[in-house]
Amino acid sequence: EAGVAQSPRYKIIEKRQSVAFWCNPISGHATLYWYQQILGQGPKLLIQFQNNGVVDDSQLPKDRFSAERLKGVDSTLKIQPAKLEDSAVYLCASSSQRSGANVLTFGAGSRLTVL
Amino acid sequence: AQSVTQLGSHVSVSEGALVLLRCNYSSSVPPYLFWYVQYPNQGLQLLLKYTTGATLVKGINGFEAEFKKSETSFHLTKPSAHMSDAAEYFCAVSDGGGSQGNLIFGKGTKLSVKP
Repeated sequence: EAGVAQSPRYKIIEKRQSVAFWCNPISGHATLYWYQQILGQGPKLLIQFQNNGVVDDSQLPKDRFSAERLKGVDSTLKIQPAKLEDSAVYLCASSSQRSGANVLTFGAGSRLTVL
Repeated sequence: AQSVTQLGSHVSVSEGALVLLRCNYSSSVPPYLFWYVQYPNQGLQLLLKYTTGATLVKGINGFEAEFKKSETSFHLTKPSAHMSDAAEYFCAVSDGGGSQGNLIFGKGTKLSVKP
């Protein structure tokens, strides 16, 4: 099966600019996650979707970050305006009941550099 | 709240030597425990997981981990390191309940393998 697709792989922007990342999960996976991985740290959950509904967005900085999964398939994560501390790799992952409890399949990530 | 502590941000072993990466967790409920590996510029790949049942879990690439409830540990081992094992390894915990996810990751341990 095809993996989790993410784009772009790399993005460099200046602070206060905006950026959007796209994720296409594995076909049939109802649950989609966005994680933020800052250099030297483990991934941190930003938002979790079940189909097109939000399950957990408690750690999403809602003043600048937004995410949507309108049709319950692909998803977009937006940052506006970006800050220096947003420099990180943004990982998308998906899972299904068939793959077993909490077994997430990750994409390669989108690396953001904010100057 | 759940948390994960990985002892040692960097571990270096010689090729053929034992690999031991340490992980301790904190959880108020029976945990689900995971080890993921991340190669440079790639997403995270599941190595192995513990949910219930046998406490010694075998994963891919010859890795295994043992769940020790009394020690709140889930250390990752491999009898003989290969050069291809050089990567960053992340331990993660979830409560396994409710909807799938959310994984709490440790900060990671970078494994270097010397020829």
